[in-house]
Amino acid sequence: GQNIDQPTEMTATEGAIVQINCTYQTSGFNGLFWYQQHAGEAPTFLSYNVLDGLEEKGRFSSFLSRSKGYSYLLLKELQMKDSASYLCAVRAPNYGQNFVFGPGTRLSVLP
Amino acid sequence: DADVTQTPRNRITKTGKRIMLECSQTKGHDRMYWYRQDPGLGLRLIYYSFDVKDINKGEISDGYSVSRQAQAKFSLSLESAIPNQTALYFCATSEKTSGMETQYFGPGTRLLVL
Repeated sequence: GQNIDQPTEMTATEGAIVQINCTYQTSGFNGLFWYQQHAGEAPTFLSYNVLDGLEEKGRFSSFLSRSKGYSYLLLKELQMKDSASYLCAVRAPNYGQNFVFGPGTRLSVLP
Repeated sequence: DADVTQTPRNRITKTGKRIMLECSQTKGHDRMYWYRQDPGLGLRLIYYSFDVKDINKGEISDGYSVSRQAQAKFSLSLESAIPNQTALYFCATSEKTSGMETQYFGPGTRLLVL
């Protein structure tokens, strides 16, 4: 089966750093994606990891450990506009090469 | 103009009615998907199509059907709507590449079945 876990909700303060964790158990692995979704809107792509290690893109970084089935998304210098849900998704070759999505983590950034 | 569009954006219908949700894309992608999103459950795959002649069931296809009319169009039908099909529905596209394959989502259709 396919299973992805994320914390349901997180709260952080403007200007701070927050780490959103994701653990996965899937039939095969062909990349891990992070998406941002503001309330009532479509998910938008943030980052992609297929090899172990850290990928940095501006204020956002994403880390992957394939042996541990673990990833995190790191958001620095938090801004109010970062309040959104963050979706972890794994592309699983044994799932028709499709994407398995986690339940999402709703992040609230407080002033 | 948006690359992936969905119509309608909001729909209220009654139990037993047949409805169709439509998706169009101008990205030229071969792969198209339909998902539903429910609070606490994330996005779940209903159907997907890797080209015009290819249709595949996803995780939760019961009660739904699809039609890929052209590369750019992928429609989702609820033959006889029921209240537990109330959800936010997203269409997505992607392009087959040798490496990273990102999905691009439409704006969503909010469906309420009474």
